[in-house]
Parts: sequence; structure tokens; C-alpha cells
Amino acid sequence: DQQVKQNSPSLSVQEGRISILNCDYTNSMFDYFLWYKKYPAEGPTFLISISSIKDKNEDGRFTVFLNKSAKHLSLHIVPSQPGDSAVYFCAAPIIQGAQKLVFGQGTRLTINP
Amino acid sequence: EADIYQTPRYLVIGTGKKITLECSQTMGHDKMYWYQQDPGMELHLIHYSYGVNSTEKGDLSSESTVSRIRTEHFPLTLESARPSHTSQYLCASSANTYGYTFGSGTRLTVV
Repeated sequence: DQQVKQNSPSLSVQEGRISILNCDYTNSMFDYFLWYKKYPAEGPTFLISISSIKDKNEDGRFTVFLNKSAKHLSLHIVPSQPGDSAVYFCAAPIIQGAQKLVFGQGTRLTINP
Repeated sequence: EADIYQTPRYLVIGTGKKITLECSQTMGHDKMYWYQQDPGMELHLIHYSYGVNSTEKGDLSSESTVSRIRTEHFPLTLESARPSHTSQYLCASSANTYGYTFGSGTRLTVV
């Protein structure tokens, strides 16, 4: 039972354009979401997060949007840069019982020059 | 500057060997985790610990074992490595559930 889903395994975007990565979730109890970025052979690094009391959070070129009614969040990167090429994971914490983060499958973003 | 360290970064080892993947953190976090990730797949939680002498199995069944004798140290051991254990192993720690700090990972290849 995958509670966080990223249905696009890969995305290719031209440098300078907007990258939009999507994430859906099934657990209505989730109240916080995170995006991690991962380069090959490296551990994931935290990118940006959003609380369910907000519908938008912005940090420089990165903006996360949350649509609670649709159980959907998206990460926007504007403008996209070659260094943004990586795998992006969305995640949500489970705070009941075994407290842990659950991750989506990841989306591989490739920025083309 | 990394506050959580994993060694080795890469390991190629023969079938049947015993291996220990090291993970140490300097942040004083009580919670530590081991995830396993195959290319193109999500991160699967295989072990976690909420403090010294506390260890639990995660969502993904794993033949590995862990120990937590000191707060800062959370090693993972495979008694007899097999090719099916080939994967990337990621260690993480957190002060709370709202975000982890990950190590750089260990890429294990069993031949």
C-alpha cells in the first residue's frame, strides 16, 4: 500500500524553462510534506517542505504547491538549471505508531542545455 | 559539512562474506534509520531505532541486522552476503519525524 506516489518516473526539461514534478498521496492524515533531491551514489538532501496549513511555500527557484482536496502536491523549479538534474522524492511523515517518513518512487529530472 | 557519515561508500564483495556497513552521526539525534534503494525505486525502510538499545524492523523484510549500543552509531550487518543484497543502503537520522538528514550511502555489490 503505497501512500505517496510519483507517477512520472522521468521528466526532461530544457534549461531555463519550468520543471514541474508531481506527487499524489492517499493518507488524509498527512499534515506535512517534504521534497528531497538525490544525485547518483549520494544520499538524498532536503530541498523544501510544506505544512498542510499552507497551500504554497517558496524558496528561491523552488516552490511547492499543495492541493489538499485533490491530495496532490507539486514542485516547481524556475528557471531550471543543469545542476537540477537529479532524482526528486516527495515524502510525508507518519506520526502515529512507528514514526517514519514514507517516500514516493522518485522522478528523474534531466535538464537539457 | 556532513553530520552523518557512512562507510564504505562503495563495496564489492563475494557471496557468503559477512559485512558491516557503518553509520555515525554527530548531531545527537535519537532516531536513526536504514533505507534500501534500488535504481528507479522508492526508498524502503528496513530498520529503525528510537534510541540506545532500541531497534525495530521496517516495512521491507531484510536479512540484515542492526544494533544501537551508542546514540551516535547505528551499524548494519549482513552475516552472509548474496547477490540479491546488491543495492544502495542509506542511513539517516532525525530529531523528530519532520525531516531526516541522510548520509551519502553505501553502494553494495555482491558478486
